[in-house]
Amino acid sequence: EAGVTQFPSHSVIEKGQTVTLRCDPISGHDNLYWYRRVMGKEIKFLLHFVKESKQDESGMPNNRFLAERTGGTYSTLKVQPAELEDSGVYFCASSQVAGYTDTQYFGPGTRLTVL
Amino acid sequence: AQSVTQPDIHITVSEGASLELRCNYSYGATPYLFWYVQSPGQGLQLLLKYFSGDTLVQGIKGFEAEFKRSQSSFNLRKPSVHWSDAAEYFCAVVPVIQGAQKLVFGQGTRLTINP
Repeated sequence: EAGVTQFPSHSVIEKGQTVTLRCDPISGHDNLYWYRRVMGKEIKFLLHFVKESKQDESGMPNNRFLAERTGGTYSTLKVQPAELEDSGVYFCASSQVAGYTDTQYFGPGTRLTVL
Repeated sequence: AQSVTQPDIHITVSEGASLELRCNYSYGATPYLFWYVQSPGQGLQLLLKYFSGDTLVQGIKGFEAEFKRSQSSFNLRKPSVHWSDAAEYFCAVVPVIQGAQKLVFGQGTRLTINP
């Protein structure tokens, strides 16, 4: 069974450009999460999809970030326009059941560098 | 403030030595508790989790963790480390708040193994 995959693994862009990150969850997992780790800080929650609906987007930092999950399969996270402070590692995770005890399976992350 | 604290940013131990990584949380109600590990180039992998019951939890790769309610701690242990245990370790919680299924992470502890 394939795990959570993320693309690209690394992206380097200039300030003001747009970047789109993609996450493919484990097949059959209705729940998809985005997290971010800014250098030197803890991993922080961004948002949670249940199928194609946003269940919780309380962690999205501002309106430059747009997440979508059309059809309830893969998800994209767009940053437009990118700022220096957006640099970090963006993790995606998925889980089968939405519950406190359900295991979230993580992808390897996308390292975003904004110059 | 509600938080997860991993006091040790970096720990170095010799191969074969015992290991204890510390984790403290600050929440009114006992949250659900997790330890994840991230090896270089890999996603976060769940080592173990605690919800209720026996306070000593066994995980994968020979790891265990002990929940101590009086100390609000959930320390990770391994009796004898192997070079392959070199990685970054994250303690995380899911607060028991209705509708909240996001993981809240500590800052991580990077483990280096001396041969």
